[in-house]
Amino acid sequence: DAGVTQSPTHLIKTRGQQVTLRCSPKSGHDTVSWYQQALGQGPQFIFQYYEEEERQRGNFPDRFSGHQFPNYSSELNVNALLLGDSALYLCASSLFGTGGRSGNTIYFGEGSWLTVV
Amino acid sequence: GDSVTQMEGPVTLSEEAFLTINCTYTATGYPSLFWYVQYPGEGLQLLLKATKADDKGSNKGFEATYRKETTSFHLEKGSVQVSDSAVYFCALSRTPASKLTFGTGTRLQVTL
Repeated sequence: DAGVTQSPTHLIKTRGQQVTLRCSPKSGHDTVSWYQQALGQGPQFIFQYYEEEERQRGNFPDRFSGHQFPNYSSELNVNALLLGDSALYLCASSLFGTGGRSGNTIYFGEGSWLTVV
Repeated sequence: GDSVTQMEGPVTLSEEAFLTINCTYTATGYPSLFWYVQYPGEGLQLLLKATKADDKGSNKGFEATYRKETTSFHLEKGSVQVSDSAVYFCALSRTPASKLTFGTGTRLQVTL
């Protein structure tokens, strides 16, 4: 049973460019959330997708956008990259409505390391 | 809004020492509480969780008890090993949204 998979694992972009990160959730999960983890900090919630719609959004600008596909996989897009966007981007998958209760768990991928130069 | 406060690190211990990492939270209602661990160069792994007051989560010798009266969820282990060296994150979530609010993390370094 594959867990949460993310790609690419590492990438370097230049300020002003655009980036797309990809995530495949754990088998059986239908909800994908994205987090940004700056160096030395805890992960910060970006947004969550369920049924191909953005359900919740954290305090991130519109430069951050996403998409969920019918197979539940997801993309995170960041436009007009800034140096401050350099971080580890984590994808988490879960079953909608469980939030960790009822024995279900939120699973994280290993992340995509983005460096903006 | 919701928030999680963890003790500052790094925490440096000798092998077999007792570990406590403090975590307190601010949230209305009854959130679920979690401890996640992040080993160097890796993503987050769930270590343990508790979903209601007075619940004790445990895993791999680690324990934490959900204390509603003190809004705390302190992580403890009786005897740490070098392999426990990692960053530990306390987090909370509300159902059904599953959004996690994390603390800033506490780095644990265990030496021989």
